[in-house]
Amino acid sequence: EAGVAQSPRYKIIEKRQSVAFWCNPISGHATLYWYQQILGQGPKLLIQFQNNGVVDDSQLPKDRFSAERLKGVDSTLKIQPAKLEDSAVYLCASSIGTGQETQYFGPGTRLLVL
Amino acid sequence: QKEVEQNSGPLSVPEGAIASLNCTYSDRGSQSFFWYRQYSGKSPELIMSIYSNGDKEDGRFTAQLNKASQYVSLLIRDSQPSDSATYLCAVSPSGGSYIPTFGRGTSLIVHP
Repeated sequence: EAGVAQSPRYKIIEKRQSVAFWCNPISGHATLYWYQQILGQGPKLLIQFQNNGVVDDSQLPKDRFSAERLKGVDSTLKIQPAKLEDSAVYLCASSIGTGQETQYFGPGTRLLVL
Repeated sequence: QKEVEQNSGPLSVPEGAIASLNCTYSDRGSQSFFWYRQYSGKSPELIMSIYSNGDKEDGRFTAQLNKASQYVSLLIRDSQPSDSATYLCAVSPSGGSYIPTFGRGTSLIVHP
């Protein structure tokens, strides 16, 4: 079974530029999560989708971050414009549902904002 | 603000010893508790989940939960150098939407 796929794996941009990350969850997983992990910290949930609906986006900085999950499968996370403090690893995870199921994480996208 | 607290470490133990990792949480409504292992530069992977008070054992790993004290721990017996990683504690409430809160993780170093 293929795992969670993410691209790109690395991205370096200048501040005020825009960037987009892509995630393809495990086939059949209804729930998709985007996390931000700053160096030395635990992952922080940015947004949670169930199918193509948003379950929670309370920690998403909506003035600059946006996310969508079209057709309930792939998802994109966008930052526009980027700030220095956005430098982090962006992790995508998926799970079968929204109960107590295991989350499976993708390899992450490392973003460096200069 | 729901908080999950972990000592950042590093916790250094000799090979073969028992490593004890601790986590406290602030939300008394928490019902699901998870331990993830994260190797440097890699993504987290689930080691253990626990939902009821008491101990849960899986191989060399034992998770312990005490909801009254709002405390969850992970014991690693016969620690190996390959166990060297950051261990993340994650906590979520019951039912409805599953919104996990992660601690900052404890770095474990197992030296030969």
